[in-house]
Amino acid sequence: DAKTTQPPSMDCAEGRAANLPCNHSTISGNEYVYWYRQIHSQGPQYIIHGLKNNETNEMASLIITEDRKSSTLILPHATLRDTAVYYCIVRAPPSLGGTASKLTFGTGTRLQVTL
Amino acid sequence: GAVVSQHPSRVICKSGTSVKIECRSLDFQATTMFWYRQFPKQSLMLMATSNEGSKATYEQGVEKDKFLINHASLTLSTLTVTSAHPEDSSFYICSARDIQGYGYTFGSGTRLTVV
Repeated sequence: DAKTTQPPSMDCAEGRAANLPCNHSTISGNEYVYWYRQIHSQGPQYIIHGLKNNETNEMASLIITEDRKSSTLILPHATLRDTAVYYCIVRAPPSLGGTASKLTFGTGTRLQVTL
Repeated sequence: GAVVSQHPSRVICKSGTSVKIECRSLDFQATTMFWYRQFPKQSLMLMATSNEGSKATYEQGVEKDKFLINHASLTLSTLTVTSAHPEDSSFYICSARDIQGYGYTFGSGTRLTVV
């Protein structure tokens, strides 16, 4: 799986948009970009994933550059409950019905949302 | 959505004893489950991949005789920490992949303290 690079920490004021960058310059054609977050002392929570088009769901938006070498996770209106470590993971999707391959976590970005 | 239940959430045991952690997929079948370990202020480290009906695959440096994994059904995997020592104290997290989809769902984690 391609390696990712994320800033170790970021701060964001409550109510403002949080933009979390991720570099994945060695991403290959069939690899997706996944984002998870881990709130303190809990298991990771899936946020969003995408291949090359921008994606949006109820939690966040994912913007992937045209060359796919970097992406940005956007939390449009951050709240204190969004304080967590955010992980960007790049990997090929497991084949439907086939053996699932592992999800490898990097060091992530620790997002602190403040009043 | 898919839910993974992990028990216990916290356990304290004496050095030399064994501890079993259960990971259940509640509303889906999981042919593959993953076990992670996380030390304070560090990222998740994959310990092993558990496949239903076959032997688990352990990551390099993880002792298979110390961390026993059983995946006897499509909804249950267990991790047994045998002859636990204080250095085994950690946060253990399981993850399961829905055989009908592409997502990885995580349990809430087990905080193990060996005294």
